[in-house]
Amino acid sequence: DQQVKQNSPSLSVQEGRISILNCDYTNSMFDYFLWYKKYPAEGPTFLISISSIKDKNEDGRFTVFLNKSAKHLSLHIVPSQPGDSAVYFCAATTSGGGADGLTFGKGTHLIIQP
Amino acid sequence: DAGVIQSPRHEVTEMGQEVTLRCKPISGHDYLFWYRQTMMRGLELLIYFNNNVPIDDSGMPEDRFSAKMPNASFSTLKIQPSEPRDSAVYFCASSLFTSSGYTFGSGTRLTVV
Repeated sequence: DQQVKQNSPSLSVQEGRISILNCDYTNSMFDYFLWYKKYPAEGPTFLISISSIKDKNEDGRFTVFLNKSAKHLSLHIVPSQPGDSAVYFCAATTSGGGADGLTFGKGTHLIIQP
Repeated sequence: DAGVIQSPRHEVTEMGQEVTLRCKPISGHDYLFWYRQTMMRGLELLIYFNNNVPIDDSGMPEDRFSAKMPNASFSTLKIQPSEPRDSAVYFCASSLFTSSGYTFGSGTRLTVV
């Protein structure tokens, strides 16, 4: 049973536009959420996180929104750049810091078109 | 720091053979995680250690899989005997238990033929 779901395996966005990647979770005990970015032949790298006490966290072009009542979070990238083309993983944990092991979604392959 | 170091980067082996994957975490990180990535299941947590002690191995798929962490700077994931369905990319990650998330290694791509 997938506790973290990324229902879009891929997403294509034009350069300069906004990319919106979505993630849903089922475990109401999750209280800390992270996004990772992965290039081919490399390990995932941490991008941005959000605690359940917040509903928004922003870091440069990247913003994560959390809707606890809907058990939904999204990652916004604006403006999208060619280097953003990668697989994005949503992850969640119950400990607020990662001690229990992150549960990952299957990932969304973002393709930025020139 | 050189980051989390995994070896080998690629491993091709025949079914039935023993496979050992290695990981060197970032110095000072108290947590070490082993993940497996497949197309069907995405990134799955196999096992994690805290201060060299295995805490949760519920993700280990079968008894053919075992993991050890003899000291703070080294961990192994062993598959014996290996099967074609074990083919995947295996990632090691370490963490200081901070809000910045885990640091992953570059992974070991395992192919069992």
